Amino acid sequence: TQLLEQSPQFLSIQEGENLTVYCNSSSVFSSLQWYRQEPGEGPVLLVTVVTGGEVKKLKRLTFQFGDARKDSSLHITAAQPGDTGLYLCAGAQNTGNQFYFGTGTSLTVIP
Amino acid sequence: NAGVTQTPKFRILKIGQSMTLQCTQDMNHNYMYWYRQDPGMGLKLIYYSVGAGITDKGEVPNGYNVSRSTTEDFPLRLELAAPSQTSVYFCASSPQAVSTQYFGPGTRLTVL
Repeated sequence: TQLLEQSPQFLSIQEGENLTVYCNSSSVFSSLQWYRQEPGEGPVLLVTVVTGGEVKKLKRLTFQFGDARKDSSLHITAAQPGDTGLYLCAGAQNTGNQFYFGTGTSLTVIP
Repeated sequence: NAGVTQTPKFRILKIGQSMTLQCTQDMNHNYMYWYRQDPGMGLKLIYYSVGAGITDKGEVPNGYNVSRSTTEDFPLRLELAAPSQTSVYFCASSPQAVSTQYFGPGTRLTVL
């Protein structure tokens, strides 16, 4: 069973378009992270959100944590080819020492 | 700082063979993790460690073993390799529980 589901699984868009990636669960998380992974490399942390309803911005990337802390979204404005990669969400629960990773969204931005 | 290093980068095993995937970090992190990544499945936690001498199972521990004799090293042992263990394996470390994880470059393992 997958604790965190991401959608869409694949996304191919033109440079300059906007997009949103979703990370959903039926479970509550104490914190949620977003990572980006490029081919042949390990994931790299983009952001951590810990408060329900929290919104964080990182240049053209906007991250939101759902009010009930069960879901999150990543919005990219004016996508660029450098945004291409696999986007992973990861949630941690109050009990335990681990993050549960989502299924991933593979984004391709076409120049 | 090299961060998290993993060896080897690639390996092909025959069914039934054994091997150890090496992981070393130079950031003095207490927490270390082993994940496997299969297409369309994200990352699944195999084992983790909260400090030298302490290890615990993750979501998918069957067929693997780990040890943590030092803060820096966290090797993953595969005994009796099976085709289902074909995957990309990532080691990660973090300074605290559920904080930023720093990943190594991965080991691509194929079992034939």
